[in-house]
Amino acid sequence: GAVVSQHPSWVICKSGTSVKIECRSLDFQATTMFWYRQFPKQSLMLMATSNEGSKATYEQGVEKDKFLINHASLTLSTLTVTSAHPEDSSFYICSAKEGTQPQHFGDGTRLSIL
Amino acid sequence: GENVEQHPSTLSVQEGDSAVIKCTYSDSASNYFPWYKQELGKGPQLIIDIRSNVGEKKDQRIAVTLNKTAKHFSLHITETQPEDSAVYFCAASGDTGGFKTIFGAGTRLFVKA
Repeated sequence: GAVVSQHPSWVICKSGTSVKIECRSLDFQATTMFWYRQFPKQSLMLMATSNEGSKATYEQGVEKDKFLINHASLTLSTLTVTSAHPEDSSFYICSAKEGTQPQHFGDGTRLSIL
Repeated sequence: GENVEQHPSTLSVQEGDSAVIKCTYSDSASNYFPWYKQELGKGPQLIIDIRSNVGEKKDQRIAVTLNKTAKHFSLHITETQPEDSAVYFCAASGDTGGFKTIFGAGTRLFVKA
């Protein structure tokens, strides 16, 4: 149980394009979803927290207009990197939790901007 | 806010030996402490967790201990196997809605066959 599916797993695109990443909870209702960014050999950096039906809460230093988060249902959240540039290249990971249950992670999306 | 420190950053053990990873936290209000294993190119996977009303929890070769007074908790892996090689993250959080999960910096474990 507690499976989180994240797609795509890998994306390469040109500078200036927008990229959407999906995060789905397959067998539970994700009342809260989190988006993280992870640089090589480093820990997870929380970007934002979203509760279903509410606006996401962004961490300090994370541009909300750059990283658009939508959590429109209890099983789906999306992260859109708008006008992506090479410095946005990274490993993006979502996680989801139901109520006070532990959070479970997707397998991440490796984003490469050329 | 909460701060979680994790040591060591790298740990190399011989297959069959035990591995211990230690973490300390700063916020006494934290009451939930999960441990995650992350393999290369994948997301972190929850392997064991402990709540503040318990001092120790064990699941086969993995155990976690918690000392609330000293604000530290540890992961113990016994009879290590090569497939245990991965990056391990400790974390701390509270149960209430606004509480974030704060992660340690990670420990890269190498189990040599």
